[in-house]
Amino acid sequence: DAKTTQPNSMESNEEEPVHLPCNHSTISGTDYIHWYRQLPSQGPEYVIHGLTSNVNNRMASLAIAEDRKSSTLILHRATLRDAAVYYCILRDRGTKGAGSYQLTFGKGTKLSVIP
Amino acid sequence: EAQVTQNPRYLITVTGKKLTVTCSQNMNHEYMSWYRQDPGLGLRQIYYSMNVEATDKGDVPEGYKVSRKEKRNFPLILESPSPNQTSLYFCASSPWFGGQSSYEQYFGPGTRLTVT
Repeated sequence: DAKTTQPNSMESNEEEPVHLPCNHSTISGTDYIHWYRQLPSQGPEYVIHGLTSNVNNRMASLAIAEDRKSSTLILHRATLRDAAVYYCILRDRGTKGAGSYQLTFGKGTKLSVIP
Repeated sequence: EAQVTQNPRYLITVTGKKLTVTCSQNMNHEYMSWYRQDPGLGLRQIYYSMNVEATDKGDVPEGYKVSRKEKRNFPLILESPSPNQTSLYFCASSPWFGGQSSYEQYFGPGTRLTVT
């Protein structure tokens, strides 16, 4: 399975934008790029996903490089509630049956938000 | 409110004493899954289920059993727990779109299990 590489940790000041990078140089054509986050003492929660084009939702934006070998999760104004571990995950878009549903979590990026 | 619930949230038990961790979802999702989370190893899938009476092994199934008799429930059974099963467990669910990978999995709050 294609793997992702993320920095172990990052810091941001409150109310400033945060750019969380992810490298996935061996991504295949059937892989979606998903982001989940895990707040302290909680289960992971979905943030955003994309295939080729940049994506926006109420939580964040996802910028995908033209060659798809890297992506960046953008939090436009970090709040204290955004302090969490952020996971960049590649998921097959459905060609593997039930295997397409498995999420393979790496170590993620621990984001600290400074008041 | 759409949610995945797990019980108990915390459990301390002794080696060999059978236990069950329950998982229930109210979103009518077909796909359900169990993960364990350990420091330095991330989350790893234990078992998953595509629908009622359809279960299969994930990456780390040894020592665990599951059942799916109803769509909403997916209990995790440890027949003879051992200390190496001390971990944080998460249940997750997702709709199944007939082969198309769903965008989002919903996770429960977690069950912290300690086996002494």
